[in-house]
Amino acid sequence: SQQGEEDPQALSIQEGENATMNCSYKTSINNLQWYRQNSGRGLVHLILIRSNEREKHSGRLRVTLDTSKKSSSLLITASRAADTASYFCATDSSNTGKLIFGQGTTLQVKP
Amino acid sequence: GAGVSQSPSNKVTEKGKDVELRCDPISGHTALYWYRQSLGQGLEFLIYFQGNSAPDKSGLPSDRFSAERTGGSVSTLTIQRTQQEDSAVYLCASSLEVKRGYQFFGPGTRLTVL
Repeated sequence: SQQGEEDPQALSIQEGENATMNCSYKTSINNLQWYRQNSGRGLVHLILIRSNEREKHSGRLRVTLDTSKKSSSLLITASRAADTASYFCATDSSNTGKLIFGQGTTLQVKP
Repeated sequence: GAGVSQSPSNKVTEKGKDVELRCDPISGHTALYWYRQSLGQGLEFLIYFQGNSAPDKSGLPSDRFSAERTGGSVSTLTIQRTQQEDSAVYLCASSLEVKRGYQFFGPGTRLTVL
């Protein structure tokens, strides 16, 4: 069964706008990761945030983690058409790398 | 190699046949993971390897599924007596070590069972 739930399921924005995706999970975690998937094939790792961290930045990406609410958000600023993809959160609860994925958010950025 | 590779990229088989899916992880990566992605179930963990041993096989859907890894490198996922519900994209990932965190994914094998 899936640990994470993401919302929205689908998001459509204009280029230049910001995109925010949310992820909730059920059990305690060691870390939470965000991945991007283009065209239903391989996933690309975006960012990892550990359970003792609250916020992390990488380029135009900003991730927050609230362990009290068991939730995380991914913010993509100044979006580009190339950001069009599906985005997944994944949690590692056992520190083994066994990832439990959310259902994903499909992001469309219109030029 | 430069990245994780998987073969074949696409596999069409008839119900009841056995299939073998192959994964070549990034050289030097000791941890290897198999996941399955299907429309109804999303992305599911199947099994992971630390070296050649598989500490966690909890995600394998049934005893028709098995996996092995030899020489701490290549892994094969075998599905016996395939069923239509086995149709999915099978993704392999590797990481430098189990506790390193993030994983590098291969392009996947799309399996279609007719």
